[in-house]
Amino acid sequence: KAGVTQTPRYLIKTRGQQVTLSCSPISGHRSVSWYQQTPGQGLQFLFEYFSETQRNKGNFPGRFSGRQFSNSRSEMNVSTLELGDSALYLCASSSPGLAGVKGYNEQFFGPGTRLTVL
Amino acid sequence: GENVEQHPSTLSVQEGDSAVIKCTYSDSASNYFPWYKQELGKGPQLIIDIRSNVGEKKDQRIAVTLNKTAKHFSLHITETQPEDSAVYFCAATPNSGNTPLVFGKGTRLSVIA
Repeated sequence: KAGVTQTPRYLIKTRGQQVTLSCSPISGHRSVSWYQQTPGQGLQFLFEYFSETQRNKGNFPGRFSGRQFSNSRSEMNVSTLELGDSALYLCASSSPGLAGVKGYNEQFFGPGTRLTVL
Repeated sequence: GENVEQHPSTLSVQEGDSAVIKCTYSDSASNYFPWYKQELGKGPQLIIDIRSNVGEKKDQRIAVTLNKTAKHFSLHITETQPEDSAVYFCAATPNSGNTPLVFGKGTRLSVIA
């Protein structure tokens, strides 16, 4: 079974631009979560989508948005980029069906997209 | 909301020695505590997890202990090997199922051969 894939792997943008990142979850997984990883703050939760609906949202400004498509693929968008948005953006997928067995939806992470804002 | 503190931020051990990473959490409702390992250029990977109804769990060279009263949990790696070198993250969530994980800031473990 293929793992979580994220595209692109690396991205360089300038301040004020916008960017769209893509995530394809593991086949059959309907939940996709996004995290921002920086050296100082670790992994911070951005939002989660399940069946095309945002189910949870972290404490990030409205410049960060996302969506999920009917095939469970997800995109996140950051508008009006700031230098502080430079980070590794990680996507994780999970399957609600597994929660009944494990007691929690194990999250499977992709390799991330490294965004650099100049 | 939940807050997870992780210590130490960096840890160096000699190959064959043990390594211990500790985390504390703030929300007494948290009931699921996973540990992730992140190697260079890769996303975090779950290595072991524990639920609040269990005090200890072991999987070969790694073990996790949980003290609900003190609200802390620890990762123990025995007989460390160079391939254990990575960044380790603890996490907690106050609800099994649909509540996001709250992560610690990570521990960079270096195993010196």
